[in-house]
Amino acid sequence: SAVISQKPSRDICQRGTSLTIQCQVDSQVTMMFWYRQQPGQSLTLIATANQGSEATYESGFVIDKFPISRPNLTFSTLTVSNMSPEDSSIYLCSVEVDREATEAFFGQGTRLTVV
Amino acid sequence: LAKTTQPISMDSYEGQEVNITCSHNNIATNDYITWYQQFPSQGPRFIIQGYKTKVTNEVASLFIPADRKSSTLSLPRVSLSDTAVYYCLVGDVRGGGYQKVTFGTGTKLQVIP
Repeated sequence: SAVISQKPSRDICQRGTSLTIQCQVDSQVTMMFWYRQQPGQSLTLIATANQGSEATYESGFVIDKFPISRPNLTFSTLTVSNMSPEDSSIYLCSVEVDREATEAFFGQGTRLTVV
Repeated sequence: LAKTTQPISMDSYEGQEVNITCSHNNIATNDYITWYQQFPSQGPRFIIQGYKTKVTNEVASLFIPADRKSSTLSLPRVSLSDTAVYYCLVGDVRGGGYQKVTFGTGTKLQVIP
């Protein structure tokens, strides 16, 4: 299993600014994922972050808008850049513990409001 | 990617058994069927996973017919605390597979006193 801590849990930001969300895992993990969940909606995968390589972004998400770092096997950050009200959403970090895992673990999420 | 279809919402009284069915007509040979539960203001939590026939754990049962084109999550004797959104995922979730699996719309279960 894995325990995931996300920071901040929520924030209210001014448009045009950037916010960096941190994801800390209590054990070393191979795969880390970042999702976005808009109010009342399902989860949408933003990108997959592997340690030591560039993040892989899904269609509709670009590195300039959502830069991701993965400096080690227990930590990752997602930055939401040049924010607009449309970026208001919940951002979730998720991990797979190892290559044989079939279960993903999720953080509590970061609720972002852009005003 | 296997597309899933599940009811948008369901209501149930406390103490009843709840069955949520998910349709996945184009499931592939290597695909697993996985269910997650999400409470408000929390990330999804793994409930159960199966490949075929029946799987049971301390929380739920998962019924998968022989053709695997659908599956049913069964929650026995629900309580108010089971009010949540339930997501059915279909895909090969091994070794990075979540990169290729899509969360569907989910079923919002409301348990009524």
